[in-house]
Amino acid sequence: DAKTTQPPSMDCAEGRAANLPCNHSTISGNEYVYWYRQIHSQGPQYIIHGLKNNETNEMASLIITEDRKSSTLILPHATLRDTAVYYCIVRVAIYRDDKIIFGKGTRLHILP
Amino acid sequence: NAGVMQNPRHLVRRRGQEARLRCSPVKGHSHVYWYRQLPEEGLKFMVYLQKENIIDESGMPKERFSAEFPKEGPSILRIQQVVRGDSAAYFCASSPLDRGRLETQYFGPGTRLLVL
Repeated sequence: DAKTTQPPSMDCAEGRAANLPCNHSTISGNEYVYWYRQIHSQGPQYIIHGLKNNETNEMASLIITEDRKSSTLILPHATLRDTAVYYCIVRVAIYRDDKIIFGKGTRLHILP
Repeated sequence: NAGVMQNPRHLVRRRGQEARLRCSPVKGHSHVYWYRQLPEEGLKFMVYLQKENIIDESGMPKERFSAEFPKEGPSILRIQQVVRGDSAAYFCASSPLDRGRLETQYFGPGTRLLVL
């Protein structure tokens, strides 16, 4: 079972920052937070992950609260191509297998 | 989606026929995962294979479904005697030997199966 809670949908205006929240109140000390997204009719795409420090890459930023019970994915300048379902996943770094347990995710609509 | 190939992209079958879905992993990847996405639902894990071995098939229905990843060639997900409820998008993902690094797992574009 997914151990995260996300809002089912969100809207964001094009060009603005999209902030997608995720609650993971039962996260363990050795579990990372991963974000994936799935654009319509495509396979999931890795975005970013982190343990406890904030992370940034060319796609997004990840802000993890100090108690690690929640995080926010930030798309700094959303475009129409960012319309997708965004999945927040928690899992340990070293695992006996790599299967991903997806939850329901957040359907992000970027509005022109 | 760096290099995982799936074919066919779309497959139409009548009830009772067989469906064979193929997945060619990223070159050098020896781990393959199959996921199913039913309409308006999230992705569900089905099976995890390494070359010539099924490691975890806990998400795969016991009847009619089988998967293989031979020493040579693509991984195959086979569905016998398809029913309408099998209509879904089937995604394959591959990863290299460094377990635990989810960011190295790449997904293919999926095969959309429609059972008439």
